[in-house]
Amino acid sequence: GIQVEQSPPDLILQEGANSTLRCNFSDSVNNLQWFHQNPWGQLINLFYIPSGTKQNGRLSATTVATERYSLLYISSSQTTDSGVYFCAVLPKGGSEKLVFGKGMKLTVNP
Amino acid sequence: EAGVAQSPRYKIIEKRQSVAFWCNPISGHATLYWYQQILGQGPKLLIQFQNNGVVDDSQLPKDRFSAERLKGVDSTLKIQPAKLEDSAVYLCASTEWTAGGYTFGSGTRLTVV
Repeated sequence: GIQVEQSPPDLILQEGANSTLRCNFSDSVNNLQWFHQNPWGQLINLFYIPSGTKQNGRLSATTVATERYSLLYISSSQTTDSGVYFCAVLPKGGSEKLVFGKGMKLTVNP
Repeated sequence: EAGVAQSPRYKIIEKRQSVAFWCNPISGHATLYWYQQILGQGPKLLIQFQNNGVVDDSQLPKDRFSAERLKGVDSTLKIQPAKLEDSAVYLCASTEWTAGGYTFGSGTRLTVV
């Protein structure tokens, strides 16, 4: 099946710093989503981004489908950005289920 | 728009007991998913429904897990009997169409002791 790899696995930042999270996937996809899992366990959809670039406030994401990777940018990080970030993909041509990476734990210190 | 509703939020049971989780998807979303997330891992699909039919249950441990989606709206996931390794967060998600964006509920955190 498709492999989804996220890097780095963990990141610690000072408030105000910028960061880039990377997601590599091993096969073509119909869909890619970035999620933020808050301390209470809820998965919050950040971006639905099978290709191209989107921005939402301090967050932006870019997916280059032909090169099988996606990037999530967090600018001017805040303590509330802490949590686990997941990349998830919907493989093209396979069973229609979202496949998750292992996640990246972000800690933003005040 | 109301989100995906799940209940209960937390549940603690002893091994060999049974437990049930409930999910109400976003209105109009035909596809519903149950995911299991073990601590420190990404969510993994247990079962996928399209309306009231099962599309994929290949990862569902059918000897102890069961799920239904009567009338193509609400869904319940049951575990009987529970094992210690079933301790996890159980997430429900729905999509308007199968390649569309997933919306997840707040999850049910199950602890089996």
